[in-house]
Amino acid sequence: EAGVTQFPSHSVIEKGQTVTLRCDPISGHDNLYWYRRVMGKEIKFLLHFVKESKQDESGMPNNRFLAERTGGTYSTLKVQPAELEDSGVYFCASSQVRGFDTDTQYFGPGTRLTVL
Amino acid sequence: RKEVEQDPGPFNVPEGATVAFNCTYSNSASQSFFWYRQDCRKEPKLLMSVYSSGNEDGRFTAQLNRASQYISLLIRDSKLSDSATYLCAVNDNSGYALNFGKGTSLLVTP
Repeated sequence: EAGVTQFPSHSVIEKGQTVTLRCDPISGHDNLYWYRRVMGKEIKFLLHFVKESKQDESGMPNNRFLAERTGGTYSTLKVQPAELEDSGVYFCASSQVRGFDTDTQYFGPGTRLTVL
Repeated sequence: RKEVEQDPGPFNVPEGATVAFNCTYSNSASQSFFWYRQDCRKEPKLLMSVYSSGNEDGRFTAQLNRASQYISLLIRDSKLSDSATYLCAVNDNSGYALNFGKGTSLLVTP
């Protein structure tokens, strides 16, 4: 079974530009999460989708970040315009419907974003 | 106070040694606890969930102490391949989002 995939693996952009990250969850996983790790800090939650609905976006830093999951399959995370402090590794994770032993989150390889 | 705290280490141990990590959490309402392993520049991979009764998987044992709000991970008979960063993760109030510690670095030497 394929795991969570993310694209691109790396992105280097200049301040003020726009970047779109993509995440394909494990097939059949309704829950999709975005996390971010800024250098020297812990991995931080950004938001959670259940199918195509945003369940919790309390971790989104500001309105320069926009996440979508049209059709309840893959998700995109757009940063517009990017700032220097947005640099970090963006992880996507997915899990099956909540229930005993089924809410384990499986992580993708991450997108390493560098804003210059 | 951070939601999840871990000793960053590094822990340098010889092969065959036993090593233990602790992780404290601040949210007493947390219900799910996990240990993830992260290799350099890779994604976190689930090592084990932590249950109230404690659980064991081969050389790895995880314990939960709700009264003191910490979880632990014990690795017996350390292997070179155990070298990695071990992340503690605890669910938040919503029950879905995970709060991570910064991780504990382990280096097992020959």
